[in-house]
Amino acid sequence: AQSVTQPDIHITVSEGASLELRCNYSYGATPYLFWYVQSPGQGLQLLLKYFSGDTLVQGIKGFEAEFKRSQSSFNLRKPSVHWSDAAEYFCAVGGQGGKLIFGQGTELSVKP
Amino acid sequence: EAGVAQSPRYKIIEKRQSVAFWCNPISGHATLYWYQQILGQGPKLLIQFQNNGVVDDSQLPKDRFSAERLKGVDSTLKIQPAKLEDSAVYLCASSFSGTERHNEQFFGPGTRLTVL
Repeated sequence: AQSVTQPDIHITVSEGASLELRCNYSYGATPYLFWYVQSPGQGLQLLLKYFSGDTLVQGIKGFEAEFKRSQSSFNLRKPSVHWSDAAEYFCAVGGQGGKLIFGQGTELSVKP
Repeated sequence: EAGVAQSPRYKIIEKRQSVAFWCNPISGHATLYWYQQILGQGPKLLIQFQNNGVVDDSQLPKDRFSAERLKGVDSTLKIQPAKLEDSAVYLCASSFSGTERHNEQFFGPGTRLTVL
């Protein structure tokens, strides 16, 4: 079955600290992977995506993610978190027919 | 370029009432999606249109939910009658191409529905 797991429901980091959000996927074919961010009252904004090639993907707002096939993971990272990064983050895999299969999300809080 | 538009942004209804949500996708986007996002969960696809045809409605509770995309542009999602468990954010998304697994979807701000 196709699924995405985000093990951490809520993470708190200090401003300026590094961040890593975990994502594990289960998909039978080659995965197409996405990270989206959702601020309160807003829709989802695409941070980055992985289709093929270099397994380290750069995105907007200073985010990057690394695809590790052997671990079925696509973790999101940022070297220095800003207060404006506080939001909910969703990992997703592109499923059959183009639909997105989302994880349950990780809520990020940033301490001053 | 204008994004995906949705209305209303918020709706509060009593159970067993009816409600409708409207979505206007990005101009030129052939594919339109409706997702349901229950509090604390990731979005789940309800229905996918390619132009004005349905591609996937396997997760749509068809006894109470209906959706249409007349003329292949705007779309309306309806719930009749609503249940308490329908309280959620309803997200509309669109994409330029169609059914490729890698196509990028653009999301609207969502409609937050509360059923009392």
